[in-house]
Formats: sequence, C-alpha cells, structure tokens
Amino acid sequence: KAGVTQTPRYLIKTRGQQVTLSCSPISGHRSVSWYQQTPGQGLQFLFEYFSETQRNKGNFPGRFSGRQFSNSRSEMNVSTLELGDSALYLCASSLGALLGGYETQYFGPGTRLLVL
Amino acid sequence: GQQLNQSPQSMFIQEGEDVSMNCTSSSIFNTWLWYKQDPGEGPVLLIALYKAGELTSNGRLTAQFGITRKDSFLNISASIPSDVGIYFCAGQSGGGADGLTFGKGTHLIIQP
Repeated sequence: KAGVTQTPRYLIKTRGQQVTLSCSPISGHRSVSWYQQTPGQGLQFLFEYFSETQRNKGNFPGRFSGRQFSNSRSEMNVSTLELGDSALYLCASSLGALLGGYETQYFGPGTRLLVL
Repeated sequence: GQQLNQSPQSMFIQEGEDVSMNCTSSSIFNTWLWYKQDPGEGPVLLIALYKAGELTSNGRLTAQFGITRKDSFLNISASIPSDVGIYFCAGQSGGGADGLTFGKGTHLIIQP
C-alpha cells in the first residue's frame, strides 16, 4: 500500500507570492490533516479535512487555507507569503472516524518551503 | 493554547545505554502519543496511549500515560545506532478530528 505522498518536496518562493501544496492520502483514508514544522515553534496543527469539509482548525491566520477533493486528495494554500512561513509542511492521513477515539495518523515526508 | 513541555531537548549517549524522556502539560489530554522523525521524513508513530496509568511496550520502547493525564514518558532500552533521530510526544484532548499538540522534540544522538 502506498504511503502518504506530498508534492512538491521542495519549493522556493518570495515574499508576497502564494503557494499551493498537495497531499495524496493513503488509499481508503478519508481524513487529511496539515501541520507546520519550524525549528522555533515545532509541529503545529493547521487544519483537518474529512469528506471535503474542514472539521477542525488550528490557530493560524486566514492566509492559510485548504481544501479536499472527492478522492480525498487535499491541497493547502498560503497567500501573501511571509518570511516566517518558511517551514516543513506535513500532511497526515487517517481513516476518518466520525466519532471520538484517536486514529493513527500517517505522515507524509513533507514539503519544505523556503520564502525569500 | 495548549503546550507540551518535552525534555530533555537533546541526549548524547553511548550505544547500549537506556534512554528516558518525558512530556508534561498544563492541561489534560485523552490520548498521548510518541513519534520518531528521521531526517527528510515525516513523524512515524511509535506508541499510542489511551488510558491514564496505561503502560505500553513496543519492542525496546516503553511508554506510560501519567495518572493525572498531564504527563507521559518514553523509555528506550539498550539503544542501537538506528535509534538516532528526533522523538516527539503529542497529545490529543478531544476525539478523532482534533489536531495533535506536539512537544518540541528530543534529539537523540548515539555515540558508538
């Protein structure tokens, strides 16, 4: 079974530009979560999508947005990039239970974004 | 927001030594998790803990969910070179859709 894939793996942008990152979950997984990883702040939760709907959201500004398609693939968009947005962006997929209980999240290798 | 304090930040040990790291929180979590991240990869789940007081092992790894639900520790016995990496604790306060809160990580370095 293929793991979580993320594209592109590396990206360089300049301040003010926007960027779109893509995540393909494990086949059969319906939930996709996004995380930002930086040396200073560590791993921080951005948002989670299930069945094309955002179910949960972390504490990030509105410049960070996402969406999920009917095949469960997800994209994350960052508009008006700032230097501080330089980070490793990780997505994780899980089966997507509708009721409580933790589900194992499988992480992709990440997209490393550098903002100049 | 919720924060996890993970310690130590880094550990330099000899191969064969045992390792211990822990996480504490000011708030309660319903689930505690331990991940390992290798360079260029995403985190990989090592152990998941679901009940206060639970002690779970996975090979040479043992983790416990503190009875107050505000802390957890991870032990690695008889370390080997492939144990090198960054270990993260993570907590989840709600159900399946809640995002994880991560600690800042413990960087494990093993000297042969």
